[in-house]
Amino acid sequence: RKEVEQDPGPFNVPEGATVAFNCTYSNSASQSFFWYRQDCRKEPKLLMSVYSSGNEDGRFTAQLNRASQYISLLIRDSKLSDSATYLCVVSGGDMRFGAGTRLTVKP
Amino acid sequence: EPEVTQTPSHQVTQMGQEVILRCVPISNHLYFYWYRQILGQKVEFLVSFYNNEISEKSEIFDDQFSVERPDGSNFTLKIRSTKLEDSAMYFCAEGTATYEQYFGPGTRLTVT
Repeated sequence: RKEVEQDPGPFNVPEGATVAFNCTYSNSASQSFFWYRQDCRKEPKLLMSVYSSGNEDGRFTAQLNRASQYISLLIRDSKLSDSATYLCVVSGGDMRFGAGTRLTVKP
Repeated sequence: EPEVTQTPSHQVTQMGQEVILRCVPISNHLYFYWYRQILGQKVEFLVSFYNNEISEKSEIFDDQFSVERPDGSNFTLKIRSTKLEDSAMYFCAEGTATYEQYFGPGTRLTVT
């Protein structure tokens, strides 16, 4: 079983759509959770941390379910600039990245 | 937000040679990391460094690899006797105590 598993994608959506990404992790001792975005051939950039209570940052909402070892990211009113690969990251000392889900937002 | 910088941006080396990749972190962060990303694959953790010591390392980080912070600012990754399969993007990152990390732009290593 992969340590961090994400929707394989790709997701192709029109501008303004709502899109949801899912992620599961295998290490129940994991302590911190994040979503990063990575543009083609660029470095990962922190999008948001994920807290047990859920958190929102503008159009982005992240949820964590520790019991199910499940993390989600919801993007509302998607923009062309949201096109990227979204990486689920889980930390328990080291950092484990999912393979990423590619999102393309089209006009 | 100040940026982490890495040099060189691209390094080409012959198999068996040693390479040193450099990272200039933002000041005030105490946690440093190296990752690699083979083309088309996921980002893989190599090593974390805290208080001038290795705190965690992955199974990838074997005796071929070493890290240093030689002058208290630059953070280096040395790869001895490079192999073809070491070709990848190498990212350094620095982070906070809550594990939020800020990545440099990466060094593309090509081993021929």
